[in-house]
Amino acid sequence: ETGVTQSPTHLIKTRGQQVTLRCSSQSGHNTVSWYQQALGQGPQFIFQYYREEENGRGNFPPRFSGLQFPNYSSELNVNALELDDSALYLCASSSGGRGETQYFGPGTRLLVL
Amino acid sequence: GESVGLHLPTLSVQEGDNSIINCAYSNSASDYFIWYKQESGKGPQFIIDIRSNMDKRQGQRVTVLLNKTVKHLSLQIAATQPGDSAVYFCAERRDAGNMLTFGGGTRLMVKP
Repeated sequence: ETGVTQSPTHLIKTRGQQVTLRCSSQSGHNTVSWYQQALGQGPQFIFQYYREEENGRGNFPPRFSGLQFPNYSSELNVNALELDDSALYLCASSSGGRGETQYFGPGTRLLVL
Repeated sequence: GESVGLHLPTLSVQEGDNSIINCAYSNSASDYFIWYKQESGKGPQFIIDIRSNMDKRQGQRVTVLLNKTVKHLSLQIAATQPGDSAVYFCAERRDAGNMLTFGGGTRLMVKP
């Protein structure tokens, strides 16, 4: 177990809706990265938060947004859901803001109908 | 559980044999590499990492080899066990960056 927790574990939404996913980082870690993993593929970087600021972003549209809180937990928000947003959303925690040795949570499986 | 990697390259080995999983990376500016293991329905689990100033690093039953000349990374698992069955991903971090870029994954199947 990595100590990284995510909620909910599964979620079903319809196209056009909004969703918020949550992540609690491992104790002592100040950096949270979010990834999208489509079925049969490797995780793709969405963005990273370091000390409550966005610290890098992958090739995802602005309707993917996030927050990091003072306790370093984080939220991923996705607006105007599309069918292709169906995926496993993973968060990973690390320290130092340079993406090293990231420890992943179990993920949230999102299905958009 | 749900299936991770429906159309991934598959390596099938006999229990007790050694396994070698290969990964090619594209960016010569990458300075850090990491291997993850992902079991069905779970998040990726850290196995071992290596920096670009090293050629080899060993862990418990695992060894990572880095060949920067041909941009190739490999994971060797000694005495493979049924519990090693999973999808294995390599990931790289580009110099001065903060994101990990993952490869497509390899499914390892261990036959008892």
